[in-house]
Amino acid sequence: DTAVSQTPKYLVTQMGNDKSIKCEQNLGHDTMYWYKQDSKKFLKIMFSYNNKELIINETVPNRFSPKSPDKAHLNLHINSLELGDSAVYFCASSPLGTSNYGYTFGSGTRLTVV
Amino acid sequence: GDSVTQMEGPVTLSEEAFLTINCTYTATGYPSLFWYVQYPGEGLQLLLKATKADDKGSNKGFEATYRKETTSFHLEKGSVQVSDSAVYFCALIESSGGGADGLTFGKGTHLIIQP
Repeated sequence: DTAVSQTPKYLVTQMGNDKSIKCEQNLGHDTMYWYKQDSKKFLKIMFSYNNKELIINETVPNRFSPKSPDKAHLNLHINSLELGDSAVYFCASSPLGTSNYGYTFGSGTRLTVV
Repeated sequence: GDSVTQMEGPVTLSEEAFLTINCTYTATGYPSLFWYVQYPGEGLQLLLKATKADDKGSNKGFEATYRKETTSFHLEKGSVQVSDSAVYFCALIESSGGGADGLTFGKGTHLIIQP
């Protein structure tokens, strides 16, 4: 049983397209996150959701929109894709109010915009 | 703001060598500290953690001690194996944030172990 699962694992698409990445966690965690890892392996938080409420939006372009239908899911929708959006996107989750817990990460979605 | 600084890679060692990956941090409060590992083509896995000063986290032969006086959390292993080849990330989270503020990561250190 995968704790945090993302689909698809690979996504190749053309500039200007709209795409979504799905994330589901079966850990019962309260908070979910999206991270972007660039070509140099640098990780930066994009969003976090706590009980369907957006908590953080780290200066991410508004072409990116997180959507959470329920506590176990946090999908990432991207409009008008650009070449610079090519990266690996990681979903993660953690319990609420336990900053010393650490996060559980998904295996990542490698997005390539051509 | 918070930040984490790691030694630049790649770090190349022979099997059974001693490993140290340096990590220092800047934080406004009293953070919890973590080491994550990313094997090729995979996501991040929590390797070890420490939540207060002088705590030592350990797992799979790796250790790191939370040093508040030097704001450091260096990762060590006495005898590395080829299977330890991966990218290692040092990270912190502010304890006052309740866990929802997000992990702040260092830039990662690529470790290569040669047989």
